[in-house]
Amino acid sequence: TQLLEQSPQFLSIQEGENLTVYCNSSSVFSSLQWYRQEPGEGPVLLVTVVTGGEVKKLKRLTFQFGDARKDSSLHITAAQPGDTGLYLCAGLTTDSWGKFQFGAGTQVVVTP
Amino acid sequence: DVKVTQSSRYLVKRTGEKVFLECVQDMDHENMFWYRQDPGLGLRLIYFSYDVKMKEKGDIPEGYSVSREKKERFSLILESASTNQTSMYLCASRVPYSRGHNEQFFGPGTRLTVL
Repeated sequence: TQLLEQSPQFLSIQEGENLTVYCNSSSVFSSLQWYRQEPGEGPVLLVTVVTGGEVKKLKRLTFQFGDARKDSSLHITAAQPGDTGLYLCAGLTTDSWGKFQFGAGTQVVVTP
Repeated sequence: DVKVTQSSRYLVKRTGEKVFLECVQDMDHENMFWYRQDPGLGLRLIYFSYDVKMKEKGDIPEGYSVSREKKERFSLILESASTNQTSMYLCASRVPYSRGHNEQFFGPGTRLTVL
């Protein structure tokens, strides 16, 4: 099993602050996805990164895939209360079925 | 609007009962997945189905079985529920991996409590 470790597990910040969430593995993934999950709902895809070194921006969110495709980060600039949620990274494994391996998640709380 | 629906949002069962969790998707996706989500452990894959009547074990299949008789429906079965199967169960669907690094669409989840 290709494991993904997320850090930190929990992050509580004030509105307007910046934050970074990390997703690390000793294994190579074909691609990596970031999801956000709100209470009582299933995860919703934010972004997919495919190429080593790739950087993608989604408004105030910046996603980076490591050069070796073993790690990724999510950076939020000027966080807002609407960014509150559980952030999950998911690596596409190298098996033939294209299964995803999920990290344990980072709970982000942004207070006004 | 694409949709994955799950039969129940909350379910309470007793130890030893047979439990059926149903998932339906309206996107004509070939691949469907069942995960369980536990605090600190993230999502763990129980079973997946890459097409009708096809199934593969995930990382934690013990105590579970699945059924996929129609393309849109994927059922998770707990043959004899146990307290350690108390969890949030999430269903997802996706076009086949061969067509790209595609998004999984998730249902809202079923929170199962086994007493």
